[in-house]
Amino acid sequence: SQQGEEDPQALSIQEGENATMNCSYKTSINNLQWYRQNSGRGLVHLILIRSNEREKHSGRLRVTLDTSKKSSSLLITASRAADTASYFCATDVDNYGQNFVFGPGTRLSVLP
Amino acid sequence: DSGVTQTPKHLITATGQRVTLRCSPRSGDLSVYWYQQSLDQGLQFLIHYYNGEERAKGNILERFSAQQFPDLHSELNLSSLELGDSALYFCASSPPGTSGGLLNTGELFFGEGSRLTVL
Repeated sequence: SQQGEEDPQALSIQEGENATMNCSYKTSINNLQWYRQNSGRGLVHLILIRSNEREKHSGRLRVTLDTSKKSSSLLITASRAADTASYFCATDVDNYGQNFVFGPGTRLSVLP
Repeated sequence: DSGVTQTPKHLITATGQRVTLRCSPRSGDLSVYWYQQSLDQGLQFLIHYYNGEERAKGNILERFSAQQFPDLHSELNLSSLELGDSALYFCASSPPGTSGGLLNTGELFFGEGSRLTVL
């Protein structure tokens, strides 16, 4: 089974609105990463948050991490049509960070 | 452009055949990861190599094998292909010191993938 599970599976919003995606995982982690994938393309790293961090920002992205609940959220503010993509969380599942497991992803559609 | 090169981009073959997918990591990266992405299984971790050595194995079938060569490029060999092997195969690399060590600190840089269609 997947280590990380994104929620919702699909999200459709209007341009300018905020988009929030959640990720839950099962085992302890060293860090959690969020990636973006445009249809059929390679994944692109967005942001990494370590287990001892609670919140991190990068441009219009805000990521939170709650290790007690084993969950993370990705917030995209003021969304644009170009943000339309699938978003995945990835966790390292061993102490040496040698095995990254991705969730099934959230498919975000931003309508103009 | 991530700097990770995968070839071929597209491959169509028949059941029972064998194919080889190739990945060149970013200059200076020692780690190569292979992932399989299909519609019903999502992104599945297959295997990780670090500087020529296998470091972690995921859901890789016995019909599949991989290796990383001294020049750090990697090949994923898929044999006795079945219809269900049709998928996008991605490789990713990560900078030295960020994996293969005690604590992961870095990101993965993905190639554009090789789309395999088995007919």
